[in-house]
Amino acid sequence: DSGVTQTPKHLITATGQRVTLRCSPRSGDLSVYWYQQSLDQGLQFLIQYYNGEERAKGNILERFSAQQFPDLHSELNLSSLELGDSALYFCASSPHQEFGYTFGSGTRLTVV
Amino acid sequence: AQSVSQHNHHVILSEAASLELGCNYSYGGTVNLFWYVQYPGQHLQLLLKYFSGDPLVKGIKGFEAEFIKSKFSFNLRKPSVQWSDTAEYFCAVTVNYGGSQGNLIFGKGTKLSVKP
Repeated sequence: DSGVTQTPKHLITATGQRVTLRCSPRSGDLSVYWYQQSLDQGLQFLIQYYNGEERAKGNILERFSAQQFPDLHSELNLSSLELGDSALYFCASSPHQEFGYTFGSGTRLTVV
Repeated sequence: AQSVSQHNHHVILSEAASLELGCNYSYGGTVNLFWYVQYPGQHLQLLLKYFSGDPLVKGIKGFEAEFIKSKFSFNLRKPSVQWSDTAEYFCAVTVNYGGSQGNLIFGKGTKLSVKP
C-alpha cells in the first residue's frame, strides 16, 4: 500500500456518460497529480493541484476537469466519454517542496 | 518542451543476464531524475531517484543508475536480473525551478521480460 488511495479500481461505462474518479493523497502531501496511461500515449500528465488550487495543466481535455477539496482529496471528472478515453488513470501525491511522487493503484476506465 | 526518451521498447533477457536500459532527456537546466517500475497490474513504484551529488545512484532490488550530465542520460542497470524483475520500467524527469519541482515527465517505458 503506497498510501495514495484511488477509487474505484475499475469502472465500465458507456460512451457519452460522465464519471468521477477519486483520490486520497498520502497523509501530509499537499500536491495531487493526475496522469492518464494508455497504450498509445504512454503516461500523460493531466493536471496538478496544490493545497486546493490548480497549479499546472498538462494534456487535459476540456471534457475533463478536476478539483481538490479542503481535506486534500481530489476528484477527476470525465464527461462526454469516448471510446478513446479508456485508460488507466493514476493519481500521485507529493509533499510541498519535496521531490518524488507516490502513486496510487489507479482506476481502470473502460468506455464501451 | 522537456521530453524523455527510452531507447528500447521491449527487452528480453535470461535470468542472471545483466541489464542496462537507456534513458535520455532533453533539458539544459537542473533536473531531477527517476526510474519507476510497474509490475503487471500494479501501480508505479519508485526504484531510485537522483537529485544531486554522487551521479551513481543505488536503488531498491539491486538496481542502480548513473547520471551523465554531458550525455543527458540516466541509464538503469542491474548486474543480474531475476524472473521477478519482469515489469515495465519508466524513466522520468522533473525540472528543478529554484527549489520547487515541475511536473513529472515520463518516457514511453521499456518492457522487460526475463526468461527463467
